[in-house]
Amino acid sequence: EVQLVESGGVVVQPGGSLRLSCAASGFTFDNYAMHWVRQAPGKGLEWVSLISWDGGSTFYADSVKGRFTISRDNSRTSLYLQMNSLRAEDTALYYCAKDSEMFGSHLFDYWGQGTLVTVSS
Amino acid sequence: SSELTQDPAVSVALGQTVRITCQGDNLRIYYASWYQQKPGQAPVLVIYGQNNRPSGIPDRFSGSSSGKTASLTITGAQAEDEADYYCNSRDSSGNHVVFGGGSKLTVL
Repeated sequence: EVQLVESGGVVVQPGGSLRLSCAASGFTFDNYAMHWVRQAPGKGLEWVSLISWDGGSTFYADSVKGRFTISRDNSRTSLYLQMNSLRAEDTALYYCAKDSEMFGSHLFDYWGQGTLVTVSS
Repeated sequence: SSELTQDPAVSVALGQTVRITCQGDNLRIYYASWYQQKPGQAPVLVIYGQNNRPSGIPDRFSGSSSGKTASLTITGAQAEDEADYYCNSRDSSGNHVVFGGGSKLTVL
């Protein structure tokens, strides 16, 4: 059974930093690209970032480029999102999602339950 | 444009057929994927590719595409289908993903 378990979400002040983690199990982690997707309270889904199977390629939404960094540790079957210079508009539930391909597509076949990040003073 | 446009709200009578649409220029190039999200839950993939359903998704869900419009059709909608539905695709670079704004489906 595929499982994606996010952690690390907390309340943080504007300008602060945070690192989210996603522990994956139930599939061959290093065969697939992975994504972060977020959802602000009461709003729709927003794609945040993509990392290829080997970490060699990474892509970011314009709204987070230069502030967020996606990474992965295939030996630990884990995905990460380093979030710097946080803003109020980054407040959201952050989902980890498994891609169906190695290099990345828009087909997210499994999702975690999300971890809540609140940026507030 | 890389945007995907969905009707914010759609309704259907119990047992009837409903079509939820998603419009975007890049849908001429890429098939949309469709996700169902119920309150308090993570999204679930329901349709991908030309018209493919993951294991466990009822066959009343189907997908189609024509030009810059992708559609999700529920034939014989059930009460449990009441949810938010999102389409997604890739942007013009092919490296970024875009989501539609979502359609809230109400089953009357």
